Amino acid sequence: QQPVQSPQAVILREGEDAVINCSSSKALYSVHWYRQKHGEAPVFLMILLKGGEQKGHEKISASFNEKKQQSSLYLTASQLSYSGTYFCGTEWGSNTGKLIFGQGTTLQVKP
Amino acid sequence: GAVVSQHPSWVICKSGTSVKIECRSLDFQATTMFWYRQFPKQSLMLMATSNEGSKATYEQGVEKDKFLINHASLTLSTLTVTSAHPEDSSFYICSARQSGANVLTFGAGSRLTVL
Repeated sequence: QQPVQSPQAVILREGEDAVINCSSSKALYSVHWYRQKHGEAPVFLMILLKGGEQKGHEKISASFNEKKQQSSLYLTASQLSYSGTYFCGTEWGSNTGKLIFGQGTTLQVKP
Repeated sequence: GAVVSQHPSWVICKSGTSVKIECRSLDFQATTMFWYRQFPKQSLMLMATSNEGSKATYEQGVEKDKFLINHASLTLSTLTVTSAHPEDSSFYICSARQSGANVLTFGAGSRLTVL
C-alpha cells in the first residue's frame, strides 16, 4: 500500500513555514524525502532510518516517528526555490532499497 | 558521489515499435536496480526490481512480457517497452544504490512518447 501524504497541496508566501506528513500502514525501515520540479527527476533531500531520528539540512528538516509509522518534513522560512512536488519514499521492513512513494504534495511558494 | 545515467533522455516512437531504455551506474556496481514509471502529475510507481544475473521481480499489475528488463552486468540494466502504445507514454526513471549505502541514486529519467 502506498504511503499517504498530507496535505495534497500547499501555497505559501516567501518566508512562511510548511509541514508535510507521510503515513505508512506498514512497519518502516526508512523514509526518503525527495523534491521534484516539473519535467525533472526527483532530487534527494534526506533519509531517516528507523530509530525515531530527526535530521536537518539548512532550513529543511524531518522527523521519523517509528511508533506511529509517520514522517514529517519541515520547511522553514520558505524560499521560491522550494516550490515543487515533495514525495516521501518508504522502505518497508528491511534494507531492500525498494521505495514505495506517496502520492506527492505540491508546494507553491509565492513572492 | 554515486551517479546513475539514463539513456535516452527522451524518445518518440510509433505505435507498435519497441523502445529500449538504459540505466547505468557510472562509478559503482549495482546488483539491484529499480524501475519506476511516472504519469503526468502522478507519483512514481515502482514497476520492477532488476537483479543482476537473474530475472527481474515485477510489481503487481506490471506486464513482464511488455516491459522486458535485462540486468546483464553490475553497471547496466535495460528496460524494453515492447509493442509500445500511446498509453505507455510516460516518464521512466531508474534508481540504484551503492553497496553499503542507504541512499538511492536516481537517473535523470527517460520521457517516452508513443504516437
